[in-house]
Amino acid sequence: DAGVIQSPRHEVTEMGQEVTLRCKPISGHNSLFWYRQTMMRGLELLIYFNNNVPIDDSGMPEDRFSAKMPNASFSTLKIQPSEPRDSAVYFCASRPPGTGYEKLFFGSGTQLSVL
Amino acid sequence: AQKVTQAQTEISVVEKEDVTLDCVYETRDTTYYLFWYKQPPSGELVFLIRRNSFDEQNEISGRYSWNFQKSTSSFNFTITASQVVDSAVYFCARDSNTGKLIFGQGTTLQVKP
Repeated sequence: DAGVIQSPRHEVTEMGQEVTLRCKPISGHNSLFWYRQTMMRGLELLIYFNNNVPIDDSGMPEDRFSAKMPNASFSTLKIQPSEPRDSAVYFCASRPPGTGYEKLFFGSGTQLSVL
Repeated sequence: AQKVTQAQTEISVVEKEDVTLDCVYETRDTTYYLFWYKQPPSGELVFLIRRNSFDEQNEISGRYSWNFQKSTSSFNFTITASQVVDSAVYFCARDSNTGKLIFGQGTTLQVKP
């Protein structure tokens, strides 16, 4: 079975450019999460969706960040304009339906470097 | 904020030693779940275990064991007879009542041959 698929695996861009990260959750999962990992802040939740609807976006740093989930099999996280402090590993994770306490399945992450 | 604290930033052991990773959590919930994830050098987060707040029975799985103590809000993880392949960052996490995982800062474990 395919796991959570993220693309690209690595992204290097210049400050001010638009960056789009993509995620395909595991088929049948109804919750999707975007996390960011940095040395300073560890793993922090940016936003999560339940049945394609954003439930909690309190972790989104600022208006430069936006996330969409147009259907159950695809989500994007967009940064516009990007800044060097956005450099991090961005993880997408999905979770199957249930009580809400099921484990998360993580993708391999996107390593973003903003120069 | 209801935090998850992993006080050990880095641990270094020699192969075959036992090692315990500490995790302390805060919560006001009566129902919650605790998790451990492993992040090997490849970067992907791998699920290890989930434990609910009503089950304080400790668990052993091969070389791994977990000690959940509600009275001290701790959920510690022990690797017996560590191996080089155990070298990774280990994250403790708690599921909040809003459905999102709150992670600790992680403990980097280095197992030397």
